[in-house]
Amino acid sequence: GAVVSQHPSWVICKSGTSVKIECRSLDFQATTMFWYRQFPKQSLMLMATSNEGSKATYEQGVEKDKFLINHASLTLSTLTVTSAHPEDSSFYICSARDISGIRQETQYFGPGTRLLVL
Amino acid sequence: QKEVEQNSGPLSVPEGAIASLNCTYSDRGSQSFFWYRQYSGKSPELIMSIYSNGDKEDGRFTAQLNKASQYVSLLIRDSQPSDSATYLCAVNSNSGYALNFGKGTSLLVTP
Repeated sequence: GAVVSQHPSWVICKSGTSVKIECRSLDFQATTMFWYRQFPKQSLMLMATSNEGSKATYEQGVEKDKFLINHASLTLSTLTVTSAHPEDSSFYICSARDISGIRQETQYFGPGTRLLVL
Repeated sequence: QKEVEQNSGPLSVPEGAIASLNCTYSDRGSQSFFWYRQYSGKSPELIMSIYSNGDKEDGRFTAQLNKASQYVSLLIRDSQPSDSATYLCAVNSNSGYALNFGKGTSLLVTP
C-alpha cells in the first residue's frame, strides 16, 4: 500500500516553455500532498503544500505564479513550472499524506521527476 | 527556525558492522519522527517512524528516540553494501503535516 506515482519521470524542454508534473496517490486518498525540489548533492527543499480543494501554501522564496499547483481531487496534484528556465532544472519530488492511516503525519514519496531545461 | 541536524558524513562502516546514524532537532514540541533512505538519483523511501521515547525495532533497523535530549537515531545491524545511501531524518513539529528534513547522512558500507 501507500504508493505514489509521478509522471513524467523525465522531461527535457526548451527555455520559456511550461511543464506539468502529475502526482497521484494510487491506493489511498491524500487531502494533502507536498512538492519538493532537490538540486544535486543537496537536501530536499519543500516548495509548497498542496491541499485538495483549496489554494496551495508556498514556502518563503517560492514564486507561486511560476510554480502553479492544482489539487483537484483526493488522488491527484499537479505542479506546473511556467516559463521554465535552465535554473529550474532540478529533481522534483512529490509526497502524499495518507488520511486513512493511523499516523497521518507519514508522507510517502513519489519516484520524482527530473527536469532539464535547455 | 525549526532545525533538524545531521552529520553529513560520509559514514563508512565495514560490511556486517552496525551503522549508527544520529539526528538532533530543535523544536521541543515535535511529536513524530521518521527515517527515510535515499539512493543516489532516487526519491526518499520511508524506513521507520517513531513517536514515543525508547527503541523501535524493524528487522535490521532500530530507531531510538529521546525527547528529553531531542535526539533520534537509527541503527542498522549487519550492514550490507546495499544499505549504502543517504539517510534523511524528518521531524513533524505538529504545526500542520509538513515535515522538517535534515540534510542527510551519507552511509557507505564497504565489502
